[in-house]
Amino acid sequence: NAGVTQTPKFQVLKTGQSMTLQCAQDMNHNSMYWYRQDPGMGLRLIYYSASEGTTDKGEVPNGYNVSRLNKREFSLRLESAAPSQTSVYFCASSPQGMGEQYFGPGTRLTVT
Amino acid sequence: GIQVEQSPPDLILQEGANSTLRCNFSDSVNNLQWFHQNPWGQLINLFYIPSGTKQNGRLSATTVATERYSLLYISSSQTTDSGVYFCAVPPSNDYKLSFGAGTTVTVRA
Repeated sequence: NAGVTQTPKFQVLKTGQSMTLQCAQDMNHNSMYWYRQDPGMGLRLIYYSASEGTTDKGEVPNGYNVSRLNKREFSLRLESAAPSQTSVYFCASSPQGMGEQYFGPGTRLTVT
Repeated sequence: GIQVEQSPPDLILQEGANSTLRCNFSDSVNNLQWFHQNPWGQLINLFYIPSGTKQNGRLSATTVATERYSLLYISSSQTTDSGVYFCAVPPSNDYKLSFGAGTTVTVRA
């Protein structure tokens, strides 16, 4: 039981490049989330998916898109990366809304 | 949105000491989670504690939802307890976690 997995672990992009961060969970959870963590701060919610087939914006959605591919997988896409998107990105899942959230190991993204 | 305040921002402990971390929140919540972010960046679930008291080894937590605060107790601290401790809450009728800024704990041998 791997829990929540994320790929890649590290990524360096040039301004304007695009990429997709992948997240998968094997706990049969309904809800999934994407957060970003900037230095010295707590995590902020980018997008979430309450259940398969639904997605909603969180606190800081600008510059990102998401896809809930199926119940297991939730991807985050940066269409045109900017230096302000340099951050550590965490994916999380929970059994249902208002349940305990479990986090993946994070992706460290640098945009130069 | 809901405000989450953690105190103190930084804590330096000698190994073996006890400490209390506090989390205040500005609105009613359905649940509260405490996390430990270790020096490698991993977020580890410590407690899921909407109310009451829970214990797990040397750690325990108490949430008083009616008074909008939670406390995390670390007893007999060890160097492996170093890292950042976050509390996170969703507002009522919501499940998107809002995080505090964290308490950075350094335990010295």
